[in-house]
Amino acid sequence: DTAVSQTPKYLVTQMGNDKSIKCEQNLGHDTMYWYKQDSKKFLKIMFSYNNKELIINETVPNRFSPKSPDKAHLNLHINSLELGDSAVYFCASGTFSPLHFGNGTRLTVT
Amino acid sequence: QQQVKQSPQSLIVQKGGIPIINCAYENTAFDYFPWYQQFPGKGPALLIAIRPDVSEKKEGRFTISFNKSAKQFSLHIMDSQPGDSATYFCAASINNAGNMLTFGGGTRLMVKP
Repeated sequence: DTAVSQTPKYLVTQMGNDKSIKCEQNLGHDTMYWYKQDSKKFLKIMFSYNNKELIINETVPNRFSPKSPDKAHLNLHINSLELGDSAVYFCASGTFSPLHFGNGTRLTVT
Repeated sequence: QQQVKQSPQSLIVQKGGIPIINCAYENTAFDYFPWYQQFPGKGPALLIAIRPDVSEKKEGRFTISFNKSAKQFSLHIMDSQPGDSATYFCAASINNAGNMLTFGGGTRLMVKP
């Protein structure tokens, strides 16, 4: 049973397209996150949601819009994709440590 | 501004060696220091964590050393194995809150057979 699952695992798309990444957790956590990992492995938090409410919104372009239909799901929609958006995106959950991460979505923008 | 600085960025050791990864923090409000391990194609997973009321914590072959006055902590891997090859992240948090978790830049460790 996967605790935090995200789909798709790979996403290849062209510049200017709109895409979504889905995330679901079955751990009963109130808080979910989106992280971006660049090619140098640096992990940067993008968003944090607690009980469907936005808690953290780091300096992320407004082309990125998270949506939480319920506390078990946090999806990430990206508009007008740019080359610089290419990265691995991780969903995570957990109000307190440890955070539980999904296995990532590798987004490649061509 | 990077609040948790991690070094080295990459590390290669022979099997049986003792790799050491160092982290330094600035915010004295941090009171919880976890280490995460990430294998290729996987998300980071908690490896071991320490609070500043102790100077050392050991779990199996993994040991955290903590120096509160210097605001530094480090991960030591005893008798390293090729299966330990991964990226390691130190992190720091306030009150163990996930929302307050700050990661270091990561260290790519390779253990050669």
